[in-house]
Amino acid sequence: DAGVIQSPRHEVTEMGQEVTLRCKPISGHNSLFWYRQTMMRGLELLIYFNNNVPIDDSGMPEDRFSAKMPNASFSTLKIQPSEPRDSAVYFCASSIPGLAGVHNSYNEQFFGPGTRLTVL
Amino acid sequence: EDQVTQSPEALRLQEGESSSLNCSYTVSGLRGLFWYRQDPGKGPEFLFTLYSAGEEKEKERLKATLTKKESFLHITAPKPEDSATYLCAVQARNYGQNFVFGPGTRLSVLP
Repeated sequence: DAGVIQSPRHEVTEMGQEVTLRCKPISGHNSLFWYRQTMMRGLELLIYFNNNVPIDDSGMPEDRFSAKMPNASFSTLKIQPSEPRDSAVYFCASSIPGLAGVHNSYNEQFFGPGTRLTVL
Repeated sequence: EDQVTQSPEALRLQEGESSSLNCSYTVSGLRGLFWYRQDPGKGPEFLFTLYSAGEEKEKERLKATLTKKESFLHITAPKPEDSATYLCAVQARNYGQNFVFGPGTRLSVLP
């Protein structure tokens, strides 16, 4: 398997522009996560989906951020309008969710290579 | 509030000098504790999952252990290629599949 695929790997844009980040999860994984990593705040969960449905978006910082998962093999994270403080590395991860209430149920998340976003 | 802390923030070892990294957590109802390795410019790479106190997992020079309040990642006779940032994350029973990540420990192994 190719692992989690993200594009683009690097994005440089100007303040106010729309930015769209893309993710293809590992085939057969039905949970997908978007994270943001910065030096100051570390790795933060933004939103996650189960079976293409958003489950928890409490980490999405503002209404400028939106995420969609139109099918099991594709998700987007959009920032509109972008601001310099959005500069970070954005990671997508996928997993096979463990069974609720089952001990030792596997929940490992597998990460993509990330998109380094710079907003000037 | 669930919290995950890691210590030390950074660690420099000589090749062959064994040591341990610490991950302390405060969470109501631990579902799992996960260790990851992250190389510069790359995404975190999964290493281990631990589910209950007393559990241990090993992989090459790495061994992870878990108690009710913390986890240790023991590195035996490290090599320069073990240099990376090591992240731990916890998953609580009340938070679905959310992971809460610690800030990481930057490990440098000098030849």
